[in-house]
Amino acid sequence: DIQMTQSPSSLSVSVGDRVIIACQASQDINTSLNWYQQKPGEAPQLLIYDAFNLQIGVPSRFSGGGSGTDFTFTISSLQPEDVATYYCQQYDNLPLTFGGGTRVEI
Amino acid sequence: EVQLLESGGGLVQPGGSLRLSCAASGFTFRNYAMSWVRQAPGKGLEWVSGITGSGGKTYYADSEKGRFTISRDNSKNTLYLQMNSLRHEDTAVYYCAKDGYSSGWPRGFDFWGQGTLVAVFS
Repeated sequence: DIQMTQSPSSLSVSVGDRVIIACQASQDINTSLNWYQQKPGEAPQLLIYDAFNLQIGVPSRFSGGGSGTDFTFTISSLQPEDVATYYCQQYDNLPLTFGGGTRVEI
Repeated sequence: EVQLLESGGGLVQPGGSLRLSCAASGFTFRNYAMSWVRQAPGKGLEWVSGITGSGGKTYYADSEKGRFTISRDNSKNTLYLQMNSLRHEDTAVYYCAKDGYSSGWPRGFDFWGQGTLVAVFS
């Protein structure tokens, strides 16, 4: 199975800060990577697909990048409604696997 | 509007069985692969199982092989997960998720249900 390692596991930031989350795959997955946001008590929501494509309706302050084994997820200017846990997920090989999550707090 | 409504969760003793259902609407159900993803209390997301749009191929995480069976009825726009030999570690919220790519093998999820809780305890 492909292991997905996210860092950091949590971070505390201020409104307006730039947030960067890293995700590393245990083997080359090209750009077969998605990013999700999960707010407390809610189902996850797809934000980024294929490593860098913004899902329809998602604010442009969210972005993704990377390929191969190293990926990043960026919030350019954190808003209060962005408090959530963020997960990366690979689909290069089955089983699909998720990173452990990054909790973003204010 | 895409809607996914799970049902069938509940309390069950170890070794017991449950059948989860997910009623889908707002899209052409047969055109998309579907999956079940679970989340244990306070933990991260774990893919459990997926099925192609036609239902002809199924996929499982290693820990569920032989105990869980995913299926779908495209005439009823409904996804199922039959869970047998349940263990304490199966306790989780189970989400039904629509694949955002195609009817082929599962890749990623553009819509999720609100989840149904399965609690396994003696």
